[in-house]
Amino acid sequence: DVKVTQSSRYLVKRTGEKVFLECVQDMDHENMFWYRQDPGLGLRLIYFSYDVKMKEKGDIPEGYSVSREKKERFSLILESASTNQTSMYLCASIPQGGKYEQYFGPGTRLTVT
Amino acid sequence: QKEVEQNSGPLSVPEGAIASLNCTYSDRGSQSFFWYRQYSGKSPELIMFIYSNGDKEDGRFTAQLNKASQYVSLLIRDSQPSDSATYLCAVNLRNAGNMLTFGGGTRLMVKP
Repeated sequence: DVKVTQSSRYLVKRTGEKVFLECVQDMDHENMFWYRQDPGLGLRLIYFSYDVKMKEKGDIPEGYSVSREKKERFSLILESASTNQTSMYLCASIPQGGKYEQYFGPGTRLTVT
Repeated sequence: QKEVEQNSGPLSVPEGAIASLNCTYSDRGSQSFFWYRQYSGKSPELIMFIYSNGDKEDGRFTAQLNKASQYVSLLIRDSQPSDSATYLCAVNLRNAGNMLTFGGGTRLMVKP
């Protein structure tokens, strides 16, 4: 059974804070993704990673960075949180041997005040 | 034109009816197609995938793929109130590597 976990379900941060969102999968998946989801805008890809220390920008990388030091963990970093980064953040991964199907973690609802 | 398009709905059907959800895509070379269900406040859950033309059935769900017409559909038979959710279509476009392109989703409401 595919299991993707995220560090927090709900998070409230202040403007200007540095924010870390963590995603962990325990099945040796190579490909991992970070999305944000906003009403009316759908799912938008922020960054993805296809291996340890490898990362690629998605559609909206501005204001974000990522880290993948270990295969099971993919972190999203908001260097200086802003109110327009209030959103639902979703992590996903593709299983080994999979054919592009992505499995999502439970999501983190981030509010920046 | 968006690469993956869905009618946002809401699509309202009575309990026990067939719900038909449609998705069109722009890239004729797309190979893999996925349907996700997303309850309000929750993350998307993969419910079906289809790679070949035709129908694929899994319980009350049937995915239909027509590559010539560039559309993929999801049929839900004997709809239940618990099926009320937003359904996202996702496509692996040609030359997209491992990435999926998601439609905006169709909100389905099943009324008792």
